Amino acid sequence: GAVVSQHPSRVICKSGTSVKIECRSLDFQATTMFWYRQFPKKSLMLMATSNEGSKATYEQGVEKDKFLINHASLTLSTLTVTSAHPEDSSFYICSKGRPEADTQYFGPGTRLTVL
Amino acid sequence: QKEVEQNSGPLSVPEGAIASLNCTYSDRGSQSFFWYRQYSGKSPELIMFIYSNGDKEDGRFTAQLNKASQYVSLLIRDSQPSDSATYLCAVAANQEGTALIFGKGTTLSVSS
Repeated sequence: GAVVSQHPSRVICKSGTSVKIECRSLDFQATTMFWYRQFPKKSLMLMATSNEGSKATYEQGVEKDKFLINHASLTLSTLTVTSAHPEDSSFYICSKGRPEADTQYFGPGTRLTVL
Repeated sequence: QKEVEQNSGPLSVPEGAIASLNCTYSDRGSQSFFWYRQYSGKSPELIMFIYSNGDKEDGRFTAQLNKASQYVSLLIRDSQPSDSATYLCAVAANQEGTALIFGKGTTLSVSS
């Protein structure tokens, strides 16, 4: 199955700083990856689709200037939370592949805490 | 906007009982349906997927799909304390079936 890694697993930052989260495909190249966000005791919400070599596609209500997505290579997508605020504190998870075909469709997630 | 609805619970069952988890979805055109289990602080892990009306069984788990009623369920037989988790229902968000729309999840507690 697909293997997806994320780094860092946890990050704590001060309000106003920017945080970069990396999502790597460890087995095969991925032209498309997805970013999800999960607030405490809430469900996962699809934020955006990351497309290699082109602009990301954002879901309704997600600010593209705040959540910068870069998919510069076939194995790496990055999500940068710019000028983070406490309300951005969440669990960010990336994924790739097909959920029914890839045993590890989701990455392990990154817990962001903004103080 | 596709929506997926679940009862948040908690659903409490004794060890060995059958746990029944339910989910409804808004888009009649949805084709792919998934059940995930999520432990606290972890990413979701796939339990089952189902495409066709009827039942699909895998070990202690049975997924049931009724497209006419826009309803999908998950039965867990012989529930174990280790099954205690949040169960997320999801439908495919795009035609390729590679992104998912999730329900809010149902918390299951299995007591020993």
